[in-house]
Amino acid sequence: GNSVTQMEGPVTLSEEAFLTINCTYTATGYPSLFWYVQYPGEGLQLLLKATKADDKGSNKGFEATYRKETTSFHLEKGSVQVSDSAVYFCALSASGDSNYQLIWGAGTKLIIKP
Amino acid sequence: KAGVTQTPRYLIKTRGQQVTLSCSPISGHRSVSWYQQTPGQGLQFLFEYFSETQRNKGNFPGRFSGRQFSNSRSEMNVSTLELGDSALYLCASSSSWGQGRSGNTIYFGEGSWLTVV
Repeated sequence: GNSVTQMEGPVTLSEEAFLTINCTYTATGYPSLFWYVQYPGEGLQLLLKATKADDKGSNKGFEATYRKETTSFHLEKGSVQVSDSAVYFCALSASGDSNYQLIWGAGTKLIIKP
Repeated sequence: KAGVTQTPRYLIKTRGQQVTLSCSPISGHRSVSWYQQTPGQGLQFLFEYFSETQRNKGNFPGRFSGRQFSNSRSEMNVSTLELGDSALYLCASSSSWGQGRSGNTIYFGEGSWLTVV
């Protein structure tokens, strides 16, 4: 079946460090891929997405590239801030799913220290 | 415009009781989805409603039910509560059905924290 695997957290970095949060997926065809972020005490919000291979989604300094050959959608940011501390979720919508249901990763907690 | 509103934000129930949670979507949105979030299981899809019809359902027992009203507001009900039902219940709304559908962005509420004792 379709699934999303994220690196386990928490990930702890110092401010201005480079960030990578790994996300790999299992799905047939060409799923759409998403990153959502959940700030403390808030609901999830869409961070970025990519709908076809080699697409790069970007927002708020975060980027992720849809890699079909490695079935990955890793989230990166060049210089993190304390305000980026949150839980990050990778998700997919399988191309063969007529309900377009989102399949979620377990989430990765990111802690940025000043 | 106002976001997705969930009530109540926090509640404590006793095992065996039932609970009803409410979700008011963003104005104009006709789709509402419900999720259960727990530390161990992550984000689990419960169901999606669109124009008062249940469009999709996750793998939860029949104790979990929901409905949507003509004004798009939605409620979910859990009967015969178990300790394992303790979780954050999230509601998300969107203009169209299909959470991952191209061009359809879902917006989450802050959630309802349910503790079963």
